[in-house]
Amino acid sequence: QQQVKQSPQSLIVQKGGISIINCAYENTAFDYFPWYQQFPGKGPALLIAIRPDVSEKKEGRFTISFNKSAKQFSLHIMDSQPGDSATYFCAASKGSGAGSYQLTFGKGTKLSVIP
Amino acid sequence: DAGVTQSPTHLIKTRGQQVTLRCSPKSGHDTVSWYQQALGQGPQFIFQYYEEEERQRGNFPDRFSGHQFPNYSSELNVNALLLGDSALYLCASSLWGGSSYEQYFGPGTRLTVT
Repeated sequence: QQQVKQSPQSLIVQKGGISIINCAYENTAFDYFPWYQQFPGKGPALLIAIRPDVSEKKEGRFTISFNKSAKQFSLHIMDSQPGDSATYFCAASKGSGAGSYQLTFGKGTKLSVIP
Repeated sequence: DAGVTQSPTHLIKTRGQQVTLRCSPKSGHDTVSWYQQALGQGPQFIFQYYEEEERQRGNFPDRFSGHQFPNYSSELNVNALLLGDSALYLCASSLWGGSSYEQYFGPGTRLTVT
């Protein structure tokens, strides 16, 4: 059972464009939703994260939009640059109960930003 | 401020052998989690250690075991290696019970089982 579904699997965006990656979750106990960026041969790097008490969080060119009723959240990368080309993972975790603090990841989105 | 470190970087083992991977958490962190990332997939949670005890465990067989030392560093041991154990093994560190759930990953150990 995949608890976090991520789409699209791959994405090609023109330099300067907006990249949008979507995730949906099933477990309503999740209360922490981070996004990670991973370059080939490297470990995932924490990019930005959100809690369900807010609908949007922005850090620089990166924005998370969160829809609690739909159990969906998305990552928007504004003014996408070739250096943003990487694999992006959404994840979810909860802070209490069985399985607390363990991250459940989506399958990833490979982003390619072309000049 | 040192981040999460892992050793070795790469490892090649034969089916049936045993392997030990090591992790040192980020300075100030006391909790270590281990994840397995198969090629083209998202990381999957193996287990988590705090105060030298396994606190959470994912859906992995008993061949996967771990240990945490008093200095918060950790080891992941895998016995009776299978071809399917070939993956990138990631260590993540965090602060137990804090209001922040942030987990920071190391560069990983690439394990190849032949």
